[in-house]
Amino acid sequence: AQTVTQSQPEMSVQEAETVTLSCTYDTSESDYYLFWYKQPPSRQMILVIRQEAYKQQNATENRFSVNFQKAAKSFSLKISDSQLGDAAMYFCAYRSARYGGSQGNLIFGKGTKLSVKP
Amino acid sequence: DTGVSQNPRHKITKRGQNVTFRCDPISEHNRLYWYRQTLGQGPEFLTYFQNEAQLEKSRLLSDRFSAERPKGSFSTLEIQRTEQGDSAMYLCASGTGGVNYGYTFGSGTRLTVV
Repeated sequence: AQTVTQSQPEMSVQEAETVTLSCTYDTSESDYYLFWYKQPPSRQMILVIRQEAYKQQNATENRFSVNFQKAAKSFSLKISDSQLGDAAMYFCAYRSARYGGSQGNLIFGKGTKLSVKP
Repeated sequence: DTGVSQNPRHKITKRGQNVTFRCDPISEHNRLYWYRQTLGQGPEFLTYFQNEAQLEKSRLLSDRFSAERPKGSFSTLEIQRTEQGDSAMYLCASGTGGVNYGYTFGSGTRLTVV
């Protein structure tokens, strides 16, 4: 079974600085997708960025980028120029790329609470 | 496209009562997922529909839980004889599956069993 581990329960960053959130995962599959989701307090979960395992190039979305190390099964999120609105819970998630009934759901880590100091 | 809608937003119920939650997915999304999120944890998969067919149920989904998606549109999640351990946020997500690998989540229904 696949597992996702986020070893940093809480992180803090100064506004305008850069922060990196860590995520490791365990799988025997070679094809899968990885995601970072943001969950602000009392608000819905929002997709931040996604990475296909077969792509070597790291995904980037504006201030958000990932460092995907497939051999190490590591998938960290870097937030540049941090803003107050970035404060939230961040969840790393895994999804198998295989079709079939059991392959579509996301497997989440426990999350990292990010605080942004003004 | 108004996003994924969940109702109610909050539900407080007495132990032993039955509760039902509703999820209205994005209209063109054929896949619908239910997750449960307890305090300090990431969401955990409960069940999954492709159109009206319930294709998978997690072992977390005990016999007291039932989910339906009639006509492949909205979905309901019912919990019978609620227990205090059922207190959690219940999240619904929808997507198109296949090569579109991201989902849209609703805001969730927070259940408190007293």
